[in-house]
Amino acid sequence: DGGITQSPKYLFRKEGQNVTLSCEQNLNHDAMYWYRQDPGQGLRLIYYSQIVNDFQKGDIAEGYSVSREKKESFPLTVTSAQKNPTAFYLCASSIAGDTSSYNEQFFGPGTRLTVL
Amino acid sequence: GDSVTQMEGPVTLSEEAFLTINCTYTATGYPSLFWYVQYPGEGLQLLLKATKADDKGSNKGFEATYRKETTSFHLEKGSVQVSDSAVYFCALNRYKFYFGSGTKLNVKP
Repeated sequence: DGGITQSPKYLFRKEGQNVTLSCEQNLNHDAMYWYRQDPGQGLRLIYYSQIVNDFQKGDIAEGYSVSREKKESFPLTVTSAQKNPTAFYLCASSIAGDTSSYNEQFFGPGTRLTVL
Repeated sequence: GDSVTQMEGPVTLSEEAFLTINCTYTATGYPSLFWYVQYPGEGLQLLLKATKADDKGSNKGFEATYRKETTSFHLEKGSVQVSDSAVYFCALNRYKFYFGSGTKLNVKP
C-alpha cells in the first residue's frame, strides 16, 4: 500500500536535546511538507520541499531544520532553539508543489512530541 | 492574500441530525477546494474535493459544492453518526495550500 509513514508515534525528549522526526513516502510525490498542530488548533507550516535537495521555510521555521536528500524522505529536526516544541507534528506530500493547483496533500499519521 | 475561513466549533448534534459546516475562501483565480477529516490522535484524511466551479465533491454521505459566486464550499451530510465525530478542515490549493482552522464535530447518540 502506498502512503506516508511517520515514526515514532510518540516521542519524549528532555529539554535542550535535539530530536529528529522521520517521514517517508512511497507515493513518488515530488513535494513534501511539515506541519505543527497544537491542541485544538489548526495546522501551521514549518518547512516544505518541492524537489530533492531543495526546501523552503514555512510560517514557523525558527528552531527547526530539515533535509531532502532523497525523494521519499523528509526528516525534521527539532532543535534546542525551539522554545515550545511539545506538539503534534504532521508530515504531508503531494504530487507537485506550487506548479499545480489541482492536487491534494496526503498526510501521515503524525508524531506526538513531548519535551520534559 | 489567499485564505480559508470556516465556522468555529464545536458543533454538537444528535445522531441522524443534518450537518452543515460553513467554509468560505478568498483567492484570485481558480483554486481547488478540499475537505479533510481528522480523528483524535491521527493525521488528516482527504474527505472530498472539487477542482472547478459548480463541481460537487462527495464521499461517505458527505457533500460540498464549489460555489464561485459566493466563494463557498460548505460541507453537508444528511444524517450524521456518532462515528462522524472528528475535526473537519476546509482547504484550498492555488499553487500553495491554505487550511482553515478546523471545526470540531461532536455527535451524541
